[in-house]
Amino acid sequence: GQNIDQPTEMTATEGAIVQINCTYQTSGFNGLFWYQQHAGEAPTFLSYNVLDGLEEKGRFSSFLSRSKGYSYLLLKELQMKDSASYLCAVIESNYQLIWGAGTKLIIKP
Amino acid sequence: IAGITQAPTSQILAAGRRMTLRCTQDMRHNAMYWYRQDLGLGLRLIHYSNTAGTTGKGEVPDGYSVSRANTDDFPLTLASAVPSQTSVYFCASSDSSGGASDTQYFGPGTRLTVL
Repeated sequence: GQNIDQPTEMTATEGAIVQINCTYQTSGFNGLFWYQQHAGEAPTFLSYNVLDGLEEKGRFSSFLSRSKGYSYLLLKELQMKDSASYLCAVIESNYQLIWGAGTKLIIKP
Repeated sequence: IAGITQAPTSQILAAGRRMTLRCTQDMRHNAMYWYRQDLGLGLRLIHYSNTAGTTGKGEVPDGYSVSRANTDDFPLTLASAVPSQTSVYFCASSDSSGGASDTQYFGPGTRLTVL
């Protein structure tokens, strides 16, 4: 069956590094997305991975291992504005997007 | 460029009433989607449209209908609202040509309360 698992909530300190994990079991794989969603707002695109390895974009990086069904989002030099939910989503072989429930990240001063 | 807009921003609706949520995009994207988001459940796909003139059912289509008469607009109708349809509704669109073009862009959402 289809399943995407992420931790429900994580807490980190301003200026630190945090890694948010995502594991998936889906019907085929055509790519993985990470989105950021601030409370009361719409999700916004962060990253897309389709090949194994690390994609870096400024303070944010995303890693994919297709053989392990695993991805992580790495956030460096955390800022208070990074407090948000982070959503992992996988494109299946029928090109439907399957969403995880999201990880709420709380940043403390 | 507005991107993708939704109306209304929020609505309180009596059970049994009919309601249409509006969604318009100006990015000329092929595909459009309607999701509902409930606490702890993440985004769930209600209906989608891969191109103007076609629609498909998502994970939770019951009680909802959609139409796609043109590229830009994708209204979602609740024929007879029930309290379990209380949720935040997001419309999204994507170019959907494969790969990174499958990135979905979201509207600001409509917060619907059915009493």
